[in-house]
Amino acid sequence: QVQLVESGGGVVQPGGSLRLSCAASGFTFSSYGMHWVRQAPGKGLEWVAFIRYDGSNKYYADSVKGRFTISRDNSKNTLYLQMNSLRPEDTAVYYCAKDFRDPIAAGYFDYWGQGTLVTVSS
Amino acid sequence: DIQMTQSPSSLSASVGDRVTITCRASQSISSYLNWYQEKPGKAPKLLIYGVSSLQSGVPSRFSGSGSGTDFTLTISSLQPEDFATYYCQQSYSTSWTFGQGTKVEIK
Repeated sequence: QVQLVESGGGVVQPGGSLRLSCAASGFTFSSYGMHWVRQAPGKGLEWVAFIRYDGSNKYYADSVKGRFTISRDNSKNTLYLQMNSLRPEDTAVYYCAKDFRDPIAAGYFDYWGQGTLVTVSS
Repeated sequence: DIQMTQSPSSLSASVGDRVTITCRASQSISSYLNWYQEKPGKAPKLLIYGVSSLQSGVPSRFSGSGSGTDFTLTISSLQPEDFATYYCQQSYSTSWTFGQGTKVEIK
């Protein structure tokens, strides 16, 4: 069965950095685009970033462009999100999510991890 | 970015009720509209994609309709496990966006 397990969340000061990981199993990771989606406490869902199955294309939400970097290691079945220059408004649960379709992304998400909490606070 | 607006933001309903949630896009998104269900402490779950295609394992009491800018999620007979928050999401543009959510509560 498909499993996505995020890790790397925690408390960080404003301006700091954090790297999230998402370990994938149960499907051919190297064939699917992957996304990060976040949810601030008590708020709705916000798509953050996408990476194509082979890493050749990446897209970002305007709110994180220039500060966050999505990457993947298909040999390790792992997705990453490097977050720099963190702000209090980046505080959220971060989910990794699998794109529905391979190899051309459909832009919707059929499997999600359990999420990892990032808190940006002094 | 394409803005997605859901209505209502919340509703109260009873088991067995027919429930309708509306989602409006700020521009035409053709049929690139998807719906998710979220329960407290759990990851969102894909219910419907492409306006009306039911994701595998989703009960047939869920249905979707619409095109262009106006879309609807309908639950034909609300069950206890359906009390949750529902989000629409557009997959028309690569700056994917969600609606603000509709919370379905027990009356």
